[in-house]
Amino acid sequence: QSALSQPASVSGSPGQSITISCTAANYDVGAYNLVSWYQQHPGKAPRLMIYEANKRPSGISDRFSGSQSGSTASLTISRLHPEDEADYYCCSYAGRGRMFGGGTKVTVL
Amino acid sequence: QITLKESGPALVKPTQTLTLTCTFSGFSLNTPGVGVDWIRQPPGKALEWLALIYWDDDRRFSPSLRGRLSITRDTSKNQVVLTMTNMAPVDTATYYCARSAYEYGDLPDSWGQGTLVTVSS
Repeated sequence: QSALSQPASVSGSPGQSITISCTAANYDVGAYNLVSWYQQHPGKAPRLMIYEANKRPSGISDRFSGSQSGSTASLTISRLHPEDEADYYCCSYAGRGRMFGGGTKVTVL
Repeated sequence: QITLKESGPALVKPTQTLTLTCTFSGFSLNTPGVGVDWIRQPPGKALEWLALIYWDDDRRFSPSLRGRLSITRDTSKNQVVLTMTNMAPVDTATYYCARSAYEYGDLPDSWGQGTLVTVSS
């Protein structure tokens, strides 16, 4: 069982905004400001969408934004597009390694 | 352009040892702040972090798999090798390697395409 908890699923209509949470069970995610978010389409490798909680790599749409507060980090997708339908994972430090959240399936209705 | 590619057997038998190679280009494992992670994903399930090796040869492992994993690097060949012993059917998964770098928060940024490993007799 992952110590980074994400909702199993989130859905929204095209044009709407959705937010995915990532809550650390045993430590303060916000204390490190080092959370990444990944998008994964079926059969594909994960793709980095957000790093250091709120930074976007080059080429990532500004519709994707990240934030954090205490033990919870969040990914917001604004103006939903059909191609945003995918699985999303958060990742952070855990001890001397890393940990992934359980993943959230985003459905565009 | 950063690329990573995993290679290794598609099928291993229970109790065997799995050896996977990550061959990368576009960065150097001699560069401070750079590392290579291994991550796996069982079919239909979530990502699971396995191991990491840094530019300075610092190695880190998943606590739940620590005794079964080893990770080494060959900087002259731009390769990182992951070894996992005593394979079981529950280890069936797509195995990914990924680069980590301080400039991206020291978490994976660029990923390989993954390689599916099936454990079956």
